[in-house]
Amino acid sequence: EPEVTQTPSHQVTQMGQEVILRCVPISNHLYFYWYRQILGQKVEFLVSFYNNEISEKSEIFDDQFSVERPDGSNFTLKIRSTKLEDSAMYFCASRDSLGYTFGSGTRLTVV
Amino acid sequence: AQSVTQLGSHVSVSEGALVLLRCNYSSSVPPYLFWYVQYPNQGLQLLLKYTSAATLVKGINGFEAEFKKSETSFHLTKPSAHMSDAAEYFCAVSERAGKLIFGQGTELSVKP
Repeated sequence: EPEVTQTPSHQVTQMGQEVILRCVPISNHLYFYWYRQILGQKVEFLVSFYNNEISEKSEIFDDQFSVERPDGSNFTLKIRSTKLEDSAMYFCASRDSLGYTFGSGTRLTVV
Repeated sequence: AQSVTQLGSHVSVSEGALVLLRCNYSSSVPPYLFWYVQYPNQGLQLLLKYTSAATLVKGINGFEAEFKKSETSFHLTKPSAHMSDAAEYFCAVSERAGKLIFGQGTELSVKP
C-alpha cells in the first residue's frame, strides 16, 4: 500500500536554529498538507499546498514557516528560527479523491 | 466555520464492553467526516470516513459510525472492546474535501 514517508522521525534542535522537515507524498496525489500536534493536544492544520503554491494556511503558519516542493517528489516544511513552543509532532499528509494519507510524523524538540 | 467537538477526553471500558466515542460537528456545507486512531508514538491511521454515501459507515477493526444530520453527530462505536483498541481517537471534519479540522481527541482505555 502506498505510504507517505517523513524524515527524520525525531529531530532535536537548538532554539533559533532553522529546521527542515521532509515528506515524500504518495506519487499521484495532488494535495499536500502539514499538521502539528503539540504533546497532549489536538492535531492542528498548518498549511495546504496544491499546484505548487499554498492554497490555505492557518494563523499558526506565520512568517517563520515556509513550504516547498523542490523536486516534484519531496514536500518540505521549513521553520526559520525555532522557538521552544515549536516543539511538537509534525505530520505530513497527501490526498487524492479517495482520501487523505498521513505520514508517521516527525517529533521536533526545541531545546 | 467548521468545528468538531469530542465529548469526553477520556473513556474507559471493560474488555468486551461496548465502545461509544462521541463526536459532534459544525459545518456550513455537507461535511466529510472521519475518525482516526493514534497509537502511542505513532501516526494517524484512518478508521473510517463518511463522504455523503451511506449514513452508517463501517471501518477497520470492527468500528462503525453513523452520520446523523439532525443531531450533527458522527459517533464511533464498536460492539465489543479489545485490549488492542486502547489508543487516542480523533474525529475530523472537512468541507468539500479540503483541510481536516480535528477534535480534541478521546483517549480510550480498555480494562481487562
